[in-house]
Amino acid sequence: NAGVTQTPKFRILKIGQSMTLQCTQDMNHNYMYWYRQDPGMGLKLIYYSVGAGITDKGEVPNGYNVSRSTTEDFPLRLELAAPSQTSVYFCASSGAYEQYFGPGTRLTVT
Amino acid sequence: TQLLEQSPQFLSIQEGENLTVYCNSSSVFSSLQWYRQEPGEGPVLLVTVVTGGEVKKLKRLTFQFGDARKDSSLHITAAQTGDTGLYLCATHSGGYNKLIFGAGTRLAVHP
Repeated sequence: NAGVTQTPKFRILKIGQSMTLQCTQDMNHNYMYWYRQDPGMGLKLIYYSVGAGITDKGEVPNGYNVSRSTTEDFPLRLELAAPSQTSVYFCASSGAYEQYFGPGTRLTVT
Repeated sequence: TQLLEQSPQFLSIQEGENLTVYCNSSSVFSSLQWYRQEPGEGPVLLVTVVTGGEVKKLKRLTFQFGDARKDSSLHITAAQTGDTGLYLCATHSGGYNKLIFGAGTRLAVHP
C-alpha cells in the first residue's frame, strides 16, 4: 500500500522559474492538504481540498496554486519562484481523523 | 487562531534517560494529536487525546492531556536511539480535519 506519494524528492529552481509538485494518494480520501515546513516553524497549511473540484486557501497561499481534478491527485503549482519559497513541502490526505503524510519535496530557490 | 507552544525546542540526551516534552495553548483544545517526524520523512501520527485528564500509553511513550485541555505532555521512558526525531503536537482547527501544528521538539538520543 503506497499511501501518499510525492515527486520530486529534491529540486533546485532559479528565481522566476515555475514548477509543479506532484502528490498522489491511493486511500480514496476526500481531504487532501499541502503544507510547507521551514526550520523551527512547524508545518503551515498552504491549500487544502475537500474533494475533486473543490479547493480552498490555507494559512500561507500566496505564490501557490492548486487543482484537484481527481480524488487521487492534488498537484501544487509554484509560479515565479522566489527565495522565500525555499522549504520542504508535504502533501497529506485524511480520512476520518488522522492525516497521512507523504515523504516531502525539498525545494531550494536560488 | 490558536497557537501551540512546544518546549523544549531541542533536547539532547543519552540512551536510557527519561524525558518529557510539552505542548501548551492559551485556548482549550478540542483534541490533541502527537506526531513524530524522522529525518527525511513526513510526520506519522502517534496518538490522539480527546478527554481532559486522559492518559494514553504506547510502549515506552506516555501521553497526558491536561484536565483543562489546554496542555499536553509526552514522556519517554528509557529513551532509545530510534526515538530520535521531531515531535510535533497538532490540533484540529476550522473543520475538514485541518490541523494547526506546533513548532516541534527536536530530540536527539545518543548511544
